[in-house]
Amino acid sequence: QVTLKESGPVLVKPTETLTLTCTVSGFSLNNTRMGVSWIRQPPGKALEWLAHIFSSDEKSYSTSLKSRLTISKDTSKSQVVLTMINMDPVDTATYFCARRTMYFDFWSGYHLGDAFDIWGQGTMVTVSS
Amino acid sequence: IVLTQSPGTLSLSPGERATLSCRASQSVSISYLAWYQQKPGQAPRLLIYGASSRATGIPDRFSGSGSGTDFTLTISRLEPEDFAVYYCQQFDSSPTFGQGTKVEIK
Repeated sequence: QVTLKESGPVLVKPTETLTLTCTVSGFSLNNTRMGVSWIRQPPGKALEWLAHIFSSDEKSYSTSLKSRLTISKDTSKSQVVLTMINMDPVDTATYFCARRTMYFDFWSGYHLGDAFDIWGQGTMVTVSS
Repeated sequence: IVLTQSPGTLSLSPGERATLSCRASQSVSISYLAWYQQKPGQAPRLLIYGASSRATGIPDRFSGSGSGTDFTLTISRLEPEDFAVYYCQQFDSSPTFGQGTKVEIK
C-alpha cells in the first residue's frame, strides 16, 4: 500500500522557519517514474504547488516562492523535507505532499501523462504570534 | 500557465450530467493535464490524467476530453458522492491548478 504522511509544527510565529517532513511508504524515492511535490491550500482557497524533487535529486520550485523554499530527500529514511523561511500569516494553509507519477502505455511505452496520484492527508499550519 | 475553470459553482441534481470547463492561458500538452476531486476535509483525489485517461478505480461516469487550451471534465450521471470541488491541473510548465469548480446539490 502506497502512503504519504506529512508531519511538522501546527503553529509557527511570523518570521520563523517552517520545516515539514513527508514520510513515504510503498514505493522508493529512487523510482525514476516518480517524484514528490509539496502543495498547499489556504483555508477555503485553491491548491498551490510549491516544490518538487525528482528521483535524480533534481529540484524545482514555484517561481513566486523560490527564494523561501528548500526541498530535499533522504532516500534511506523514505523522507522528503520542505523548509520555508520567513513565514507570514498569509502562509497559513494545509500543506500536502503528493507523489507525481509518470504513466506509460504498457505495450508501446508511450508516455500517457503525469499526475499527482497519491496524496498525504495534509497538515494544517497556522502562522500567528 | 494560468488555468481558468468555469463555472465557479454548478448546481445540479443527482442523475444529471455535469460539464466542467478548464481553459489554459497557453497550449498544454494533453499528457500534462489532470483532474482532481476534493471533498471537505480531505486531500484531492486523482480522477483523470493525460486529459482523458481515468485513474485506477475511477468510475466510467467520469470522462475527460480536450486539447490545446480547452479541456472538459464530464460526469455523465451525478451520484450523491460526486458533489465536491473539482480542480484541473497542468504540468506543461511549472505545475499550476485551476481555482476549482464546486458541484453542489440543487
